[in-house]
Amino acid sequence: GENVEQHPSTLSVQEGDSAVIKCTYSDSASNYFPWYKQELGKRPQLIIDIRSNVGEKKDQRIAVTLNKTAKHFSLHITETQPEDSAVYFCAAAQGGSEKLVFGKGTKLTVNP
Amino acid sequence: DAMVIQNPRYQVTQFGKPVTLSCSQTLNHNVMYWYQQKSSQAPKLLFHYYDKDFNNEADTPDNFQSRRPNTSFCFLDIRSPGLGDAAMYLCATSRDWRTGVDEQYFGPGTRLTVT
Repeated sequence: GENVEQHPSTLSVQEGDSAVIKCTYSDSASNYFPWYKQELGKRPQLIIDIRSNVGEKKDQRIAVTLNKTAKHFSLHITETQPEDSAVYFCAAAQGGSEKLVFGKGTKLTVNP
Repeated sequence: DAMVIQNPRYQVTQFGKPVTLSCSQTLNHNVMYWYQQKSSQAPKLLFHYYDKDFNNEADTPDNFQSRRPNTSFCFLDIRSPGLGDAAMYLCATSRDWRTGVDEQYFGPGTRLTVT
């Protein structure tokens, strides 16, 4: 089955800096890669996703890149703000399946 | 407007006393999921329904059961809660994946405490 590795587990940046979180997956048939943000005590919320027919997607300060050959995808947050502080989870959907496999999460802290 | 609703938001139960958590959705999505999330961990899928078809994860304990009486509602039953079952339980929904994998919408979760 699919296995998703996520790094780093914790990340601390200064406000205004960029943050990058990386994930690798094992199943070459996976075709959908969402990123979720979860603030303490709240639900995971989708912030951006990418499908396997696209290499990059951007939404304001957030971007995701996908390298199918290397089987890795990354989340990029530019001009970080304190409200970006949260746990971020990457996930991959196994090809032909409605199930998501999650990475273990990255706790991002943005220091004012 | 709330799309995935979970009740109660907080539940305290005694060791071994059965408990039921509920989830409802206004999205008319075919797929409903139950996840268990412990502190500082990723959500762990317990099972999911595609319409009325139940799909159990291989490592989900028999202590956890689920019911989906109609499209809108889904229940998680914990038959004999143990201290290790204390966690946040998240319900999620998604559209018909057979037309393309799609976003999962999460409910706010039910925080279960076992005393």
